[in-house]
Amino acid sequence: SQQGEEDPQALSIQEGENATMNCSYKTSINNLQWYRQNSGRGLVHLILIRSNEREKHSGRLRVTLDTSKKSSSLLITASRAADTASYFCATDAMGTYKYIFGTGTRLKVLA
Amino acid sequence: DVKVTQSSRYLVKRTGEKVFLECVQDMDHENMFWYRQDPGLGLRLIYFSYDVKMKEKGDIPEGYSVSREKKERFSLILESASTNQTSMYLCASRAGPRYEQYFGPGTRLTVT
Repeated sequence: SQQGEEDPQALSIQEGENATMNCSYKTSINNLQWYRQNSGRGLVHLILIRSNEREKHSGRLRVTLDTSKKSSSLLITASRAADTASYFCATDAMGTYKYIFGTGTRLKVLA
Repeated sequence: DVKVTQSSRYLVKRTGEKVFLECVQDMDHENMFWYRQDPGLGLRLIYFSYDVKMKEKGDIPEGYSVSREKKERFSLILESASTNQTSMYLCASRAGPRYEQYFGPGTRLTVT
């Protein structure tokens, strides 16, 4: 199964609300990253959090990392219609060169 | 501004054809990747290159080969395209291990 599993698979909210999505993983990691993908396009890097960090902010994004639970969450505050996209977490397992992506959370923000 | 470009956004090929997908990055990155993305399966790594002329198989290399003769360019080759290779192909690059990846816009390949 995937190293990174996002939850929920799909999320629909009203503009202005907050959106929270979660990622769980299985092995020890060096870092965890979140990416956004608009329909039919490539992925865009949002934020990277290292294994020794617990929380990180970037604009309206807040990411937390709990290495004891092997989980991370991405919070988008005051969502906008333009935030409609799929969001993926990617983990960099220790001892490997590659990132493993989950299957993503599809976020729909209704205007 | 960082940039990863892919040679085509959409491509239609026939079964048995040889297909070349090209990726170019302008960030002097060491590492480059090819993924395919299919509904319900997420991104799966096909091949990885950690330096010029160096490559490693990813999770699903069967039916694919790669070439990296110059640092900025990483090519994916389908020797004999098959219908099960219809997919979205994404190229990415990064400066090194533990750095973020930068993705190209993707190539949607249809094999008929």
